[in-house]
Amino acid sequence: EIVMTQSPATLSMSPGERATLSCRASQSVSSNVAWYLQKPGQAPRLLIYDASTRATGVPARFSGSGSGTEFTLTISSLQSEDFAVYYCQQYHNWWAFGQGTKVEIK
Amino acid sequence: EVQLLQSGGGLVQPGGSLRLSCAASGFTFSTYAMGWVRQAPGKGLEWVSGSSSNGANTYYADSVEGRFTISRDNSRNILYLQMNSLRAEDTAVYYCARRGSGSPSPFDYWGQGTLVTVSS
Repeated sequence: EIVMTQSPATLSMSPGERATLSCRASQSVSSNVAWYLQKPGQAPRLLIYDASTRATGVPARFSGSGSGTEFTLTISSLQSEDFAVYYCQQYHNWWAFGQGTKVEIK
Repeated sequence: EVQLLQSGGGLVQPGGSLRLSCAASGFTFSTYAMGWVRQAPGKGLEWVSGSSSNGANTYYADSVEGRFTISRDNSRNILYLQMNSLRAEDTAVYYCARRGSGSPSPFDYWGQGTLVTVSS
């Protein structure tokens, strides 16, 4: 079973700042990692897949990087609509999610 | 437009059963693998089950293996999750989701979610 660990649990940021979220896999998952954004009461929305490819319609301020066991989601300049919970997911072996990082307004 | 419309949630007693449905439209349902993901109140996402495009191969998380059954009716474009022997810890919002084209792929479209509450 592959375990995904995200850090930090909470990120307190101001609009316009750069946010960096981390995700670590317990074993190599190649580049089979996705990032999702979830707002309260809504279903998750796919942001990034294959570690670094933006999904359709996702703004360019979102970028992903990494391979193997270490992955990063970067939001270059936080907008008001970006304050939410972010999940990483591996789909290399079945599927597994990280526990989430909440990006909150400072 | 891809749409996944869920139904079938509700309140059930421990040990009871419930069947969730997910009606798909806007894409060729029979060519996509599908899955179920749940989220307990205030908690993160947990993958529950997956089905290949033709339903011949199914997959389950250890937490639901032997109690839940995923199935699909490709003639009606509907995905199901039959949940038996329900426990309090199965209380969650359940989402159906489409796995993207190609393999491996993440879930690219999600249903609106349906709440299942297991309580006496």
